[in-house]
Amino acid sequence: AQRVTQPEKLLSVFKGAPVELKCNYSYSGSPELFWYVQYSRQRLQLLLRHISRESIKGFTADLNKGETSFHLKKPFAQEEDSAMYYCALSAQYNFNKFYFGSGTKLNVKP
Amino acid sequence: DTEVTQTPKHLVMGMTNKKSLKCEQHMGHRAMYWYKQKAKKPPELMFVYSYEKLSINESVPSRFSPECPNSSLLNLHLHALQPEDSALYLCASSQTQTGAGTGELFFGEGSRLTVL
Repeated sequence: AQRVTQPEKLLSVFKGAPVELKCNYSYSGSPELFWYVQYSRQRLQLLLRHISRESIKGFTADLNKGETSFHLKKPFAQEEDSAMYYCALSAQYNFNKFYFGSGTKLNVKP
Repeated sequence: DTEVTQTPKHLVMGMTNKKSLKCEQHMGHRAMYWYKQKAKKPPELMFVYSYEKLSINESVPSRFSPECPNSSLLNLHLHALQPEDSALYLCASSQTQTGAGTGELFFGEGSRLTVL
């Protein structure tokens, strides 16, 4: 069975501080990993996906297959980064099955 | 048009009512999804339609009945619901791809359902 674990429900950091949102997964094959974000009063939207290896809004995430992790990082947090972040996994052979972690609320303080 | 539109935004219904939630997208996506989200919880997958055919049903009770009339529309018919079914129901769509690789999920704003 697929499982996505986000151990932190809430993460508070000061503006300008580095931030790391943790995500671990368990899956027997080679999954696709994503980070989705939900800003206040906005719809859930894709932030980044591991296959793109891109940096979006200063965020990066590296897939570590050895540690089965896909942590989201940003070197200098901004107040506008405050949002709910969900790590998500899509099954290798059933790519329409997206599973979400429990989410981490990031609060960036001024 | 890069949006997924859901109606109604809010719905209150009794346990004996029959109602429907509607979802529409015009991005040419051939996969459409229903998710259920309770307060402070992640979205839980309910159903997936791929090319207008039901491809995934995550053991959802039969009081929820999905329908995909065409490639742009997705409905969720509700009948004899329970108060614990009160939640935000999210519709999403994505491109379908064969083989490896997946598409981005585009979410609607959701329909907030209250069952009395």
